[in-house]
Amino acid sequence: EAQVTQNPRYLITVTGKKLTVTCSQNMNHEYMSWYRQDPGLGLRQIYYSMNVEVTDKGDVPEGYKVSRKEKRNFPLILESPSPNQTSLYFCASSLFRAQPQHFGDGTRLSIL
Amino acid sequence: DQQVKQNSPSLSVQEGRISILNCDYTNSMFDYFLWYKKYPAEGPTFLISISSIKDKNEDGRFTVFLNKSAKHLSLHIVPSQPGDSAVYFCAAEPTGGGNKLTFGTGTQLKVEL
Repeated sequence: EAQVTQNPRYLITVTGKKLTVTCSQNMNHEYMSWYRQDPGLGLRQIYYSMNVEVTDKGDVPEGYKVSRKEKRNFPLILESPSPNQTSLYFCASSLFRAQPQHFGDGTRLSIL
Repeated sequence: DQQVKQNSPSLSVQEGRISILNCDYTNSMFDYFLWYKKYPAEGPTFLISISSIKDKNEDGRFTVFLNKSAKHLSLHIVPSQPGDSAVYFCAAEPTGGGNKLTFGTGTQLKVEL
C-alpha cells in the first residue's frame, strides 16, 4: 500500500530535549516536505526536499533541521525544542513538483 | 503576510445542495493550485487540482474554477453529501518553486441532513 509513515504519532516531552520525528515513504517520490498545523493558521511548510541531499527552507524553518540522506526518508529534527513548537506535524511526498502531495497521518508534539 | 486566504472559516450546507468554497491568493507567481480535504486525526488528502493554463477542472462531483485576473479560485461540490463534512484547504505552488506549497487557513464544511 502506498503510504507516508510518520513516527511517533504522539509525543510529550520537555523543553530542550532533542527529538526526531521520522518520515518514510514507499512510493519512490522525489519530493518530500514537512508542515505544521496550528489553529487559525492552516498548514505552514517548514522544510522541503527536491531530492537526496537537496533541501530548502519553507515558511517557518526556525528551530528545525532536516536531512535527506536516502530517497525514502526525511526526518525532522528539533535540536532544542521549545513550547512554541507544540503543534501537529505532517510529512508529505510527491513524485515531482506540480503533483499532488501524499500526507502522513500526523505527529502531535507537546513541548512542556 | 498570508498569500493564500480562505476568508470563510466555516460553511454549512444542506445535503443535496451545492457547496462553494472560496480561496484568494496574492502571489502572481503561483501556477498550480490544489484542494485538500482533511478529517480529524488524519492527514490531508488530495481532492482536485488545476494548472494556471486552465480555468476549470472537473472530477465527478468536484469542480475547481480559477479566475487568474481576480486571483481567485473556488471549489464546487454538487451534490453535497454528509461524508463531505471536513476541513478543506486550498494550496498554491509557484513557478520554479521546487516543492514550496502555501496553504490557506481552511474552511470547515458541514453538510446537514
